[in-house]
Amino acid sequence: DIQMTQSPSSLSAFVGDRVTITCRASQSTSSYLNWYQQKPGQAPKLLIYGASSLQSGVPLRFSGSGSGTEFTLTISSLRPEDFATYYCQQSYTMPYTFGQGTKLEIK
Amino acid sequence: QVQLQESGPGLVKPSQTLSLTCTVAGGSISSGGYSWSWIRQHPGKGLEWIGNINYSGTTYYNPSLKSRVTISVDTSKNQFSLKLSSVTAADTAVYYCARILVRLLYTPDWSFDLWGRGTLVTVSS
Repeated sequence: DIQMTQSPSSLSAFVGDRVTITCRASQSTSSYLNWYQQKPGQAPKLLIYGASSLQSGVPLRFSGSGSGTEFTLTISSLRPEDFATYYCQQSYTMPYTFGQGTKLEIK
Repeated sequence: QVQLQESGPGLVKPSQTLSLTCTVAGGSISSGGYSWSWIRQHPGKGLEWIGNINYSGTTYYNPSLKSRVTISVDTSKNQFSLKLSSVTAADTAVYYCARILVRLLYTPDWSFDLWGRGTLVTVSS
């Protein structure tokens, strides 16, 4: 199985900050990496697919980059509604696996 | 606008079979370019892929659950279903159904683009 490891596991930041979350895969997933946002009591929501493509309707402050085994999700200027847990997920090979999540909290 | 809704018992006894159904509203489960999936989330934990099915019934399962999982589709009812047998307390989780948007057939270029709200299933006697 491909293990997905996110760092940090939790992060505190101010509204307006730029934040970056990293996802590392135990083997290459090429660019087949998706990012999701989950708020408490809600289902995950797709933000980024194919490592860097923005899902329709997702604000431009979200961006993704990377390929191979290292990927990043960046939020350019945090808004209050961005405080949530973020997950990466590889679609490269079965079993499809998720990172453990990064909880983004307000400082 | 397509919506997914999970339904089924919220409490299942140990050793019994967990059965959930996902109803696809506002669109056809047979639409090209989509497959359908079940994912679960243990309380306070991360996400675990259970398995996929396409409209023709082809299935793929997580090897860690494969011996206990069956996913099926009923195109006449616009539904797909999950059965997980011989459950234990470790199967207590929120179960989500999700749609898979396949951008390029026969490639890994896909993502879970739409999710149901999830349903909590507790395994307890």
